[in-house]
Amino acid sequence: GDSVTQMEGPVTLSEEAFLTINCTYTATGYPSLFWYVQYPGEGLQLLLKATKADDKGSNKGFEATYRKETTSFHLEKGSVQVSDSAVYFCALREKVGSARQLTFGSGTQLTVLP
Amino acid sequence: DARVTQTPRHKVTEMGQEVTMRCQPILGHNTVFWYRQTMMQGLELLAYFRNRAPLDDSGMPKDRFSAEMPDATLATLKIQPSEPRDSAVYFCASGLAESGNTIYFGEGSWLTVV
Repeated sequence: GDSVTQMEGPVTLSEEAFLTINCTYTATGYPSLFWYVQYPGEGLQLLLKATKADDKGSNKGFEATYRKETTSFHLEKGSVQVSDSAVYFCALREKVGSARQLTFGSGTQLTVLP
Repeated sequence: DARVTQTPRHKVTEMGQEVTMRCQPILGHNTVFWYRQTMMQGLELLAYFRNRAPLDDSGMPKDRFSAEMPDATLATLKIQPSEPRDSAVYFCASGLAESGNTIYFGEGSWLTVV
């Protein structure tokens, strides 16, 4: 079945540091890939997505590129801010089959210190 | 902005009581999801509806949980009787069926069973 593996957390960085959160996936078809962010006490919000190989999703300075050859969708940001502290979830949604729900990774807690 | 609306936001109840959580999906969305989030298990899919029909509820304990969509604007998740191990955040999400479309989450119902 489908699965998503994320870098274990927690991750603690200083403000303006470079961020990478690794995400790899296993899927039988050609999934769409997503990064969601969850701030404390809130629901999940879409951060960015990519629907086909080599697509790059970007938002709020975050980027991730859909790499089919390595089955990866790593999240990056060049300079993190304290306000980026949150839990980040990688997810996939298959294009085939009837059950097109999101399959989530376990989440990575990010804390950015001033 | 269109959003998924969940009620109640917070609920504290005694073991054995019935709990009903409600969700209003975004107008026009034809897929609705119920997820449960705990520290130990992360995000778990409980149920998934398309066009109001249940497609997958394999993640839901059948003896005490039930999920329905009485109409296109309302989804319900009921626990009867509730147990302390049901304490979690329950998220409703909605989207369109195609896999490239974003799934939008509500802010969650924070349930504590004492």
